[in-house]
Amino acid sequence: DQQVKQNSPSLSVQEGRISILNCDYTNSMFDYFLWYKKYPAEGPTFLISISSIKDKNEDGRFTVFLNKSAKHLSLHIVPSQPGDSAVYFCAASEGQKLVFGQGTRLTINP
Amino acid sequence: DTGVSQNPRHKITKRGQNVTFRCDPISEHNRLYWYRQTLGQGPEFLTYFQNEAQLEKSRLLSDRFSAERPKGSFSTLEIQRTEQGDSAMYLCASSLTTGGFVGELFFGEGSRLTVL
Repeated sequence: DQQVKQNSPSLSVQEGRISILNCDYTNSMFDYFLWYKKYPAEGPTFLISISSIKDKNEDGRFTVFLNKSAKHLSLHIVPSQPGDSAVYFCAASEGQKLVFGQGTRLTINP
Repeated sequence: DTGVSQNPRHKITKRGQNVTFRCDPISEHNRLYWYRQTLGQGPEFLTYFQNEAQLEKSRLLSDRFSAERPKGSFSTLEIQRTEQGDSAMYLCASSLTTGGFVGELFFGEGSRLTVL
């Protein structure tokens, strides 16, 4: 049972435009949500997080939105840059463990 | 380099053999986690330690898997009698957390296991 789902395996965006990555979850007990970014041959690196009591968190070019009623979160990157090309994982915390989605490969085209 | 270090980076073994992976976390981090990632999937939680105590184990961690963190520093993950289904990337992560929240995890580069 996939509790955290990223339904888009890949996304291609032009440099300078907005990238929107989506994530859905099923467990209403998740209390914290995070986005990780992964380059090839490297481990995932933390990008941004949001508590379940908030609906938006912003950090520079990155903004995460949480819609609890829809059990949906999204990551907005604006403007998108070539260095943003990577695999993005959303994750939800359940106690001391993170439950990850399958990932979305983002490609930024010049 | 003061990040999370994992060794070996890649291990190829024959089915039935035992393998051991080592993780050296960021030195002041009290929590250490093991995750497994297979192709096309996100990381899956296996187990975590707070200092030397193993506090939670996933159902994914069968009896063939054992993890230790002696003295609350480095950790080892041993897989006995490997099976082809064990082929995956094994990721270690650490964090410095005192409360209930899992916090930001710092991941190593992973140890890739290939079972022939």
